[in-house]
Amino acid sequence: DAGVIQSPRHEVTEMGQEVTLRCKPISGHDYLFWYRQTMMRGLELLIYFNNNVPIDDSGMPEDRFSAKMPNASFSTLKIQPSEPRDSAVYFCASSPQGAGQETQYFGPGTRLLVL
Amino acid sequence: GNSVTQMEGPVTLSEEAFLTINCTYTATGYPSLFWYVQYPGEGLQLLLKATKADDKGSNKGFEATYRKETTSFHLEKGSVQVSDSAVYFCALDTGRRALTFGSGTRLQVQP
Repeated sequence: DAGVIQSPRHEVTEMGQEVTLRCKPISGHDYLFWYRQTMMRGLELLIYFNNNVPIDDSGMPEDRFSAKMPNASFSTLKIQPSEPRDSAVYFCASSPQGAGQETQYFGPGTRLLVL
Repeated sequence: GNSVTQMEGPVTLSEEAFLTINCTYTATGYPSLFWYVQYPGEGLQLLLKATKADDKGSNKGFEATYRKETTSFHLEKGSVQVSDSAVYFCALDTGRRALTFGSGTRLQVQP
């Protein structure tokens, strides 16, 4: 299996621009997670989905952030408008359904820099 | 709420030294506990896990024992290698499927 795929790997944009991050989970995994990693705040869970339905979005910083999962093989995280404080590495992870299947498999991350 | 506390890094060791990275947690119920490792420029990878009290997780020479009485899950390795240099994250899952991570501990192993 190819693992979790994220694109782009790097994104540099200017403040006020819209940014869209993409994720393809491992085939057959029912859970998908979006995390943000910064030096100041460490790893933060932003939102997660189960069977394409958002379960917990309490970690989404504010209305500028939105996430969708239109089907089992694709999710997006959008920031509009972007701000310099959004600069971070954004990780997508997926995991299978079932008891004892809590292990999350992480993608390589998207490194976002907002100027 | 749930939380994970790890020792601050960086931890700097010479090759073949003994490693301990402390992790304690606060959680409702009986969480599953994990250690993830992040190599430079990469995403996190599961290193080991334990799902109930007194379980020992092990992988690649690393071990951690789920201690309910002390709410701890310390990571140990008897002899570290330069290739073990990475950031190590302790995490828990209370069954919601959403992991709560510690702040991470950077390990630097010198030849």
